[in-house]
Amino acid sequence: DQQVKQNSPSLSVQEGRISILNCDYTNSMFDYFLWYKKYPAEGPTFLISISSIKDKNEDGRFTVFLNKSAKHLSLHIVPSQPGDSAVYFCAASRYTSRGAQKLVFGQGTRLTINP
Amino acid sequence: KAGVTQTPRYLIKTRGQQVTLSCSPISGHRSVSWYQQTPGQGLQFLFEYFSETQRNKGNFPGRFSGRQFSNSRSEMNVSTLELGDSALYLCASSLDRGKGTEAFFGQGTRLTVV
Repeated sequence: DQQVKQNSPSLSVQEGRISILNCDYTNSMFDYFLWYKKYPAEGPTFLISISSIKDKNEDGRFTVFLNKSAKHLSLHIVPSQPGDSAVYFCAASRYTSRGAQKLVFGQGTRLTINP
Repeated sequence: KAGVTQTPRYLIKTRGQQVTLSCSPISGHRSVSWYQQTPGQGLQFLFEYFSETQRNKGNFPGRFSGRQFSNSRSEMNVSTLELGDSALYLCASSLDRGKGTEAFFGQGTRLTVV
């Protein structure tokens, strides 16, 4: 049961253009969403997050949009830079009955920025 | 401030053996979670520990177990290894102050079962 889905395994974008990574979820109990970036041989690093009470959060070149009715979120990177080439994971969070925050990850999207 | 440290970085084991992986969280972080990453499967949640207690468990067989010590360090054990257990095992720690506390990941342990 894949509750968080990233349907595009890979994405290729020209340097300087906008990169848009998409993520869909099925569980309406999720109340916080995060994006992580992962380089080969390294652990994922936190990028940006958004609470379910918001529809947009911006941090420099990175903006995350949340559409709760569609259960969809997206990460926009503009302008894209070669150093942005990595695998991006979308994650959704909810509190369990035992009071713990549980992160559910998507399968990841490999972003390649072409010079 | 030191990040999350996982040891060893790489490991090769034979089918049927058992393995123990270690994770030292960021100082002050009491929540430690473990994930398995395999190609095409993303990060699959294994379990989460907080104050030496397992609070959450993913859908993995009982061969996968873990524990947390009083200093918040955590270990993960896999018994009777199978070829399909070959993966990158990631540990993440967080302050767990409330909703939206982001998790910080270690570099992972690459386990290869032959």
